Formats: sequence, C-alpha cells, structure tokens
Amino acid sequence: KAGVTQTPRYLIKTRGQQVTLSCSPISGHRSVSWYQQTPGQGLQFLFEYFSETQRNKGNFPGRFSGRQFSNSRSEMNVSTLELGDSALYLCASSSGAGATTDTQYFGPGTRLTVL
Amino acid sequence: AQRVTQPEKLLSVFKGAPVELKCNYSYSGSPELFWYVQYSRQRLQLLLRHISRESIKGFTADLNKGETSFHLKKPFAQEEDSAMYYCALRTDSWGKLQFGAGTQVVVTP
Repeated sequence: KAGVTQTPRYLIKTRGQQVTLSCSPISGHRSVSWYQQTPGQGLQFLFEYFSETQRNKGNFPGRFSGRQFSNSRSEMNVSTLELGDSALYLCASSSGAGATTDTQYFGPGTRLTVL
Repeated sequence: AQRVTQPEKLLSVFKGAPVELKCNYSYSGSPELFWYVQYSRQRLQLLLRHISRESIKGFTADLNKGETSFHLKKPFAQEEDSAMYYCALRTDSWGKLQFGAGTQVVVTP
C-alpha cells in the first residue's frame, strides 16, 4: 500500500498570506488528522476529519481550517499567516473505525516557513 | 486536563546498556497509550501500543495505572535505536493523539 502523502513538502510564505496544504491518506482510510510540530510546542493536534466531517478539534485559532473530500483526501488552510505558524505540519490517516487497534500512519510533513 | 510528560529531553546510553524512557500521563478515564518513534529523516511511526502488550524491536512498555506511567524499556540498546521517541495518549475512540515533548535517544558504541 502507498503511504500517506503530503504536498507540497516545503513552502515559504510571507506574513498575511494564506496557505493550503494537502494530504492523501492510505487507500481505504477514512480518517485524516492534522498536527503541528514546532520546537517550542512539540506535536499539537489541529483537527480530525472523518467522512468529510470534522470530528475533533484542537485549540487553534479560527485561522486554521480544514476540509475533507469524498475520496478522503484532506486539505488544511491557514489564513493571515503569522511568523509563529512556521512549523512542520503532519497529516496522519487511519481507518477511523474507532477500534483500539486502529493505527495512525503519518505522512512526511509539509515544512512551512513564514517570513 | 489531559497531559503527557516525558521528563527527559535527551538520553545518551552506550550500546548494550539498558535504556528506559519515562512517560507519565494525567487522565482520569481509561487511557490508550502509545509510543511513536521517528528515526532520522524518516516519518513518525508507531512503535507499540499498551493494549497489544507486545515487544517490538526489543522494546516493551507496561501501563501502570496506579503510577499513571507508561515507561518504555529495552534491556540492551543498539545503535539503530538512536531516534526521537514520543509517548502519546488517546482518550476517545477517534483520531486525536496528545503527545509528550519527546525524548531524543543517542546510543553510542
């Protein structure tokens, strides 16, 4: 099976711009979760989508949003970028069935740099 | 509030020596706990979960609800164990994982 893929792998933006990141889950997986990884805050949960619906949300401002398409691919959007949004954004997919054996598989991440 | 604490940022051990990575959590319900590992230039991947009670790559971890701990242990460290290790907590049936800050393990020959 192909793993989780994320595009683009690297992005450079300036403050005030907006950005869209994409995640393609493993075939058959219906849940996609997003995480932000920074040296200062570590790995923080952003949100999770399952069957095109946001099922869970972390403590991030409304500038961070996401969506999921019918093929389970997901995008996250950050509007009005701030310097502090510079981070590695990780996406993870799982079956989403809620079983205790359900495993999250992570993508390689998108490195966002805000100048 | 739920929290995962990994007190050691860096663990340096010699090859063949035992290694133990500490993880403590705070959660009043029944937790699901995981250890994830990230080798250099590789993506984050699941190492083991408490419910499986299995040994992966020689690593084991036991959930101690009394001490709210889930420490990761390996009796004989190998150089290929050098990596970043994250303890993670899941408190519902869905995808949200709460991660600790991570412990960098360096195994020297």
